[in-house]
Amino acid sequence: EVQLVQSGAEVKKPGESLKISCKGSGYSFTSYWIGWVRQMPGKGLEWMGIIYPGDSDTRYSPSFQGQVTISADKSISTAYLQWSSLKASDTAMYYCARWGDCSGGSCWYWGQGTLVTVSS
Amino acid sequence: DVVMTQSPLSLPVTLGQPASISCRSSQSLVYSDGNTYLNWFQQRPGQSPRRLIYKVSNRDSGVPDRFSGSGSGTDFTLKISRVEAEDVGVYYCMQGTHWPWTFGQGTKVEIK
Repeated sequence: EVQLVQSGAEVKKPGESLKISCKGSGYSFTSYWIGWVRQMPGKGLEWMGIIYPGDSDTRYSPSFQGQVTISADKSISTAYLQWSSLKASDTAMYYCARWGDCSGGSCWYWGQGTLVTVSS
Repeated sequence: DVVMTQSPLSLPVTLGQPASISCRSSQSLVYSDGNTYLNWFQQRPGQSPRRLIYKVSNRDSGVPDRFSGSGSGTDFTLKISRVEAEDVGVYYCMQGTHWPWTFGQGTKVEIK
């Protein structure tokens, strides 16, 4: 069974750094793109970026380029989203997602979400 | 970025009645391989999103057949033939043709 398990909720202060994770299991981690999606409180979904763990090819949405870093450690089947200096406006739920071909068609999986709260 | 515009943004529906959500893109979603990467997602309150439809009209595994997708080019529709209580939530269209991929603003479906 394919699963994406994200790290737990975080409460941080402005200016602090943070790295959240998304661990994949039940499939070949290096063979599928993983993406990160932001959902600010009461708002819609926004693509932040995607990574192909097989070769670490990474693409960022222009809105998030330079604001976050997406990485992956294929030895432990885990993708990461990190900030070097958080702002209050980074308060949001962050979801990881994986998509691709599967038996019978196409499949899409989501993590359970990681709530990040940034407040002084 | 490709702008995805959904309407309506709020959709009160009577149980058992049909519902329809429109999604329009600011440019064609036909990819160079001939496919149109238009997805529909459902997000129930307090849950992660769930994909319902991919490539315009293909239902994901386990999705009830009361959900259907149609459209082409820049104009797409999600239809629910008979709304059930479990369909309450926010529905998003999403284009996966042009990077960055983009979602519509969301349509909130509620029961009258």
